[in-house]
Amino acid sequence: AQSVAQPEDQVNVAEGNPLTVKCTYSVSGNPYLFWYVQYPNRGLQFLLKYITGDNLVKGSYGFEAEFNKSQTSFHLKKPSALVSDSALYFCAVRVRPRDYGGATNKLIFGTGTLLAVQP
Amino acid sequence: GAVVSQHPSRVICKSGTSVKIECRSLDFQATTMFWYRQFPKKSLMLMATSNEGSKATYEQGVEKDKFLINHASLTLSTLTVTSAHPEDSSFYICSARPSGLAGPPGANVLTFGAGSRLTVL
Repeated sequence: AQSVAQPEDQVNVAEGNPLTVKCTYSVSGNPYLFWYVQYPNRGLQFLLKYITGDNLVKGSYGFEAEFNKSQTSFHLKKPSALVSDSALYFCAVRVRPRDYGGATNKLIFGTGTLLAVQP
Repeated sequence: GAVVSQHPSRVICKSGTSVKIECRSLDFQATTMFWYRQFPKKSLMLMATSNEGSKATYEQGVEKDKFLINHASLTLSTLTVTSAHPEDSSFYICSARPSGLAGPPGANVLTFGAGSRLTVL
């Protein structure tokens, strides 16, 4: 079954400290992985993606994520957290049509992790 | 950059009425749009894939007659919640993928609308 898991409902970190938001996945074929961020009462904004190539992907707002094939993980990281980073973070994985009997690629999302950065 | 507009952003309706939510891609064409529902505990659930010029593809467990989707043009998809009930109250988010982009299938980034909060009294 195609799935993506975010094991932490909430991550708390002090401003200036490094942060990690965890994501693991299970998909057929090569994984296409994405991170999105959601601010209150807003839609999702794209942060970064891994399709192929370098396992360390750099994205918006100083975020990066490391693709680890052996651990089937795609953890989101930032060296120094800001209070303004506080938001809801979603990991997502592409699911191919052949894997679910549909006609187009689609994204399935993890349950989200609330990041709270304390001043 | 790509922008997706959703309207209305908030709507309150009485139980039994129908509500239509529009999703427009403002500066690009989208053969495919997606409708998600976000529950209070934040989980984002894909409801259906909206296909321009053809029927929507619904996820398992989503009632087709309840949530009518019409993808009338390459820039507009609508979700109509028919005979709404309080349990339909939720945050509905659409997203769109630009048509005709190069790259591996499914690798292109989705652009999301700001969401529509539906409250059914």
